[in-house]
Amino acid sequence: GAGVSQSPRYKVAKRGQDVALRCDPISGHVSLFWYQQALGQGPEFLTYFQNEAQLDKSGLPSDRFFAERPEGSVSTLKIQRTQQEDSAVYLCASSHHRDRDSPLHFGNGTRLTVT
Amino acid sequence: DQQVKQNSPSLSVQEGRISILNCDYTNSMFDYFLWYKKYPAEGPTFLISISSIKDKNEDGRFTVFLNKSAKHLSLHIVPSQPGDSAVYFCAAAGGSGTYKYIFGTGTRLKVLA
Repeated sequence: GAGVSQSPRYKVAKRGQDVALRCDPISGHVSLFWYQQALGQGPEFLTYFQNEAQLDKSGLPSDRFFAERPEGSVSTLKIQRTQQEDSAVYLCASSHHRDRDSPLHFGNGTRLTVT
Repeated sequence: DQQVKQNSPSLSVQEGRISILNCDYTNSMFDYFLWYKKYPAEGPTFLISISSIKDKNEDGRFTVFLNKSAKHLSLHIVPSQPGDSAVYFCAAAGGSGTYKYIFGTGTRLKVLA
């Protein structure tokens, strides 16, 4: 498909487990973002990549969160030793241009539930 | 501190009438604003944007108005259709984090047939 693809759609993890969430951006899109959306809230910024460079990770809640985009296309968000407060929808978005006046195209998200 | 606020969690409008969704922001450095629409179990979809050099942008049934002095923007949908029922988020960017969109908490619009 032509859109942003995220997998898995749903993930249930026991507290303390590690999880990896995958994002396939739109082909050719330079910028890639991860957002976290808690129930009843708007998406909250986690991190930003321009090609393979992670230019901003200021939104990552703790050092248990790690994101990478080694070849400038597919990105993985990893959460180590998951906690119940990590339960949320994790949204990936990409945009074509380097500058911000280019709307973000979101995937359908991964709903993470930590039990 | 919430930099982008959508104070109405929900709104119901009759089909064919105007829907007005409001958004307030506090950061005067914001200079680019967007509206997104979200259906259940899907990601947000871009609707319309506006730069701070304009005070109005129109795209079909959707118009966004920006009042910089009041730090307020609104989305007008005319005429409203049942398929417009969704959660609408406003987002803003600007200043040092120009690429970083800050989202509001959303307004759930229900268009009644």
